[in-house]
Amino acid sequence: DTEVTQTPKHLVMGMTNKKSLKCEQHMGHRAMYWYKQKAKKPPELMFVYSYEKLSINESVPSRFSPECPNSSLLNLHLHALQPEDSALYLCASKGSGGYNEQFFGPGTRLTVL
Amino acid sequence: DQQVKQNSPSLSVQEGRISILNCDYTNSMFDYFLWYKKYPAEGPTFLISISSIKDKNEDGRFTVFLNKSAKHLSLHIVPSQPGDSAVYFCAAFIAGGTSYGKLTFGQGTILTVHP
Repeated sequence: DTEVTQTPKHLVMGMTNKKSLKCEQHMGHRAMYWYKQKAKKPPELMFVYSYEKLSINESVPSRFSPECPNSSLLNLHLHALQPEDSALYLCASKGSGGYNEQFFGPGTRLTVL
Repeated sequence: DQQVKQNSPSLSVQEGRISILNCDYTNSMFDYFLWYKKYPAEGPTFLISISSIKDKNEDGRFTVFLNKSAKHLSLHIVPSQPGDSAVYFCAAFIAGGTSYGKLTFGQGTILTVHP
């Protein structure tokens, strides 16, 4: 099973709302990632969790708050977003010990009104 | 500074012919390279990878070639099929250390395969 799942598939929120994105993998991967992708651009790394600890934060604004409740789950909590935050949010995971491919989920299409 | 570059924004190929997508990099510390395929509004799908200790890796219709001295890699798709039409991203990373597998992506190449 090389599947990473993400919910919801689509999300529309106002600038004052609080919402969360969810990511799940059951491949036993210990590294999980959040990316943001704008149209016609490559994915842009936001956060990396390694063994459930936040390892990289790419200077992401605090209105994005990641959480890793356990080794299979990754959340991204959203609060007071701006319209320019509208994008495709991708989750990925990667194994260790010589397994170098990151597997991506289908993404959540976020629209901020 | 763009460390991974895909200089061709688009490529158009006839069905059955070879598609060659190119990628250049500047960071000699990269030791692993990957190709991803992406359809609109979907997540990238892993296609094929190559370690810096190799110069070729093959998987079915897909072959990746690595020329370390030129800091250049290419993805060959033979034969090309209309279903291969998508955006192709080249990515690289430095294994180990504190990089945690952080991928550096190229800007992508839009491949269109005509029937």
